[in-house]
Amino acid sequence: GAVVSQHPSRVICKSGTSVKIECRSLDFQATTMFWYRQFPKQSLMLMATSNEGSKATYEQGVEKDKFLINHASLTLSTLTVTSAHPEDSSFYICSARGDTGDGYEQYFGPGTRLTVT
Amino acid sequence: ELKVEQNPLFLSMQEGKNYTIYCNYSTTSDRLYWYRQDPGKSLESLFVLLSNGAVKQEGRLMASLDTKARLSTLHITAAVHDLSATYFCAVDASGSARQLTFGSGTQLTVLP
Repeated sequence: GAVVSQHPSRVICKSGTSVKIECRSLDFQATTMFWYRQFPKQSLMLMATSNEGSKATYEQGVEKDKFLINHASLTLSTLTVTSAHPEDSSFYICSARGDTGDGYEQYFGPGTRLTVT
Repeated sequence: ELKVEQNPLFLSMQEGKNYTIYCNYSTTSDRLYWYRQDPGKSLESLFVLLSNGAVKQEGRLMASLDTKARLSTLHITAAVHDLSATYFCAVDASGSARQLTFGSGTQLTVLP
């Protein structure tokens, strides 16, 4: 149980284009989903928290107009990187918060490798 | 602001040896996680520590939590090459998985 998927797993796009990444909780409902970014050899940095049906909360320094997050259902959140530039190249990981029966936990997706050329 | 410090950042060890990775954090929390990350992959959950004095073991890895000292340790016993990976601790400031703050990670290389 508690499986989170991401699509695509890898994407290459040209500078100036937009890319959408999907995060799905496959076997549980996630009222809260999180988006993290990880640069090479670095730790995970939280970008934003999204609650189903409401606007995402962005961490300081994350441009909300550049990283559009939509959490339209209890099983799906999307991250759209608009007008991508090479410095946006990174590993994007989502997580979904779900109740295991023993309390809430975050379950991590497999990640999406974005390369902007 | 919660700060989570891991050390060492890099660790090379010989197969068969023992070592400990440390995770210190700056504010009160009763929930701490250990994850493993292989190159190019996402996080694999290793341990969830939910109370002071919690100790969990899986194979050659053992994790413990001292909430009073704000310290968790990940002990590696008789290391093998397959344990080579980056290990992260993460502290839950909310108590209900609403906010995880990650340490900087420890890149472990086990040498033959």
